[in-house]
Amino acid sequence: NAGVMQNPRHLVRRRGQEARLRCSPMKGHSHVYWYRQLPEEGLKFMVYLQKENIIDESGMPKERFSAEFPKEGPSILRIQQVVRGDSAAYFCASSPNLEDTGELFFGEGSRLTVL
Amino acid sequence: DAKTTQPTSMDCAEGRAANLPCNHSTISGNEYVYWYRQIHSQGPQYIIHGLKNNETNEMASLIITEDRKSSTLILPHATLRDTAVYYCIVREPSDKLIFGTGTRLQVFP
Repeated sequence: NAGVMQNPRHLVRRRGQEARLRCSPMKGHSHVYWYRQLPEEGLKFMVYLQKENIIDESGMPKERFSAEFPKEGPSILRIQQVVRGDSAAYFCASSPNLEDTGELFFGEGSRLTVL
Repeated sequence: DAKTTQPTSMDCAEGRAANLPCNHSTISGNEYVYWYRQIHSQGPQYIIHGLKNNETNEMASLIITEDRKSSTLILPHATLRDTAVYYCIVREPSDKLIFGTGTRLQVFP
C-alpha cells in the first residue's frame, strides 16, 4: 500500500506565478489535510477536506489560496500570485474516515521556493 | 493554538531511555493525547496516542497522569535515528491536529 504521495517535491516559482501542489492520499483514505511549515517553525494547519467537500478551512489565508479534493484524482492546493512569504514546505496527510484513531499519514512534503 | 507545553530541547545518550514531558492542563474529558515526531524535514510520523490509560507499542510508551494534565513519552532505548522534533498534541475525536513547537530531541553517541 503506497503511502501519501505528494508532487512535485520541489517547486520554484517567481513572484506572481501560480503554484499547484498535488496530494494523492493512501488507498482507501477519503480525508485529506494540508499543513504549511515555514523554515524553522512548526506545522500550521491549513485545510481539511473530504471528497468534494471542504470541512475546515480555518487555517487558509483568505486570498490567493484554495484547495480541492475532487471525486476523482488527487487533492490540489493552489496558490495564486505567489509571494516570497509563501516559500515553505507544504505537507499533506490523509486518514481513512471521520471516526478515525487520529493517526494521520503524512507525505514527504512539497517545498515551494518563490524567487 | 496548541494546548500543550513542551520543553524546547532535550538531550539523551544513545541506548538510554528518553523521557519527553508534556503539559496539557486544560485538556477536556474527550480529548486524546497524541505524539508525533518529525525527523529532519520529513513528514511527521505518528508514534502513539491515549486517553486515560498508559499505552505501549513497538515504538514507545505513553504515560498519562491520573488527572490527565500531563503526560510523558518514553523511548525505552534511544538510538541516533530517534533524533527528531517530538510533538505532543491534544485532540478531540475527528478534529484536526494542531501542532505546537515541540521538543527537539538530540540523541548523542
